[in-house]
Amino acid sequence: AQSVSQHNHHVILSEAASLELGCNYSYGGTVNLFWYVQYPGQHLQLLLKYFSGDPLVKGIKGFEAEFIKSKFSFNLRKPSVQWSDTAEYFCAVTQKGGFKTIFGAGTRLFVKA
Amino acid sequence: GAVVSQHPSWVICKSGTSVKIECRSLDFQATTMFWYRQFPKQSLMLMATSNEGSKATYEQGVEKDKFLINHASLTLSTLTVTSAHPEDSSFYICSARDAGVSGKTSVISADTQYFGPGTRLTVL
Repeated sequence: AQSVSQHNHHVILSEAASLELGCNYSYGGTVNLFWYVQYPGQHLQLLLKYFSGDPLVKGIKGFEAEFIKSKFSFNLRKPSVQWSDTAEYFCAVTQKGGFKTIFGAGTRLFVKA
Repeated sequence: GAVVSQHPSWVICKSGTSVKIECRSLDFQATTMFWYRQFPKQSLMLMATSNEGSKATYEQGVEKDKFLINHASLTLSTLTVTSAHPEDSSFYICSARDAGVSGKTSVISADTQYFGPGTRLTVL
């Protein structure tokens, strides 16, 4: 069965620190990969997505993610976080051409000002 | 960008009553919509996939007679929680997948889900 694993449930960083959130998935076929963000009191928003091509994907607000096929990973990174990045981040996987999206458990990021 | 709305944003009801939640894609057509449930401090759990003009596909463990889904048009899906109980209290989120039928949407956009703001249901 497909699954998505996010390594950290809670992360606390100071402003300007670098961020890396781990995401691994288990699925043998071709997949589309997503990172979503949910700010406090708001709905899910798409940060970035990978469908094909360059495995280093750049998203909004300075976030990027790298797809490493051999490791089944799609880690999210940001060189310098801001207080406004405090949110919950979800990694998600969809089978290419399929409909069902599997979400990871989420990582709550708290950035100290 | 694509916008998905949900109505109501929150609802409080008595145990035993039914509650209907609407999910609308505002500027695109969606042949497929998804209904998720999110418990506090947990991830989204897919409840069902709603297909326009056909029966919804429910995930294992989700009672289809309790959570009625109707997807009557390309822009509207409804979830009705029948005979609600306190354990049904949760945050219900819908998402819509761009059908790409307008001719204005790229293939890439058609494989992306757009999420609604969610509906918080509290059953007393």
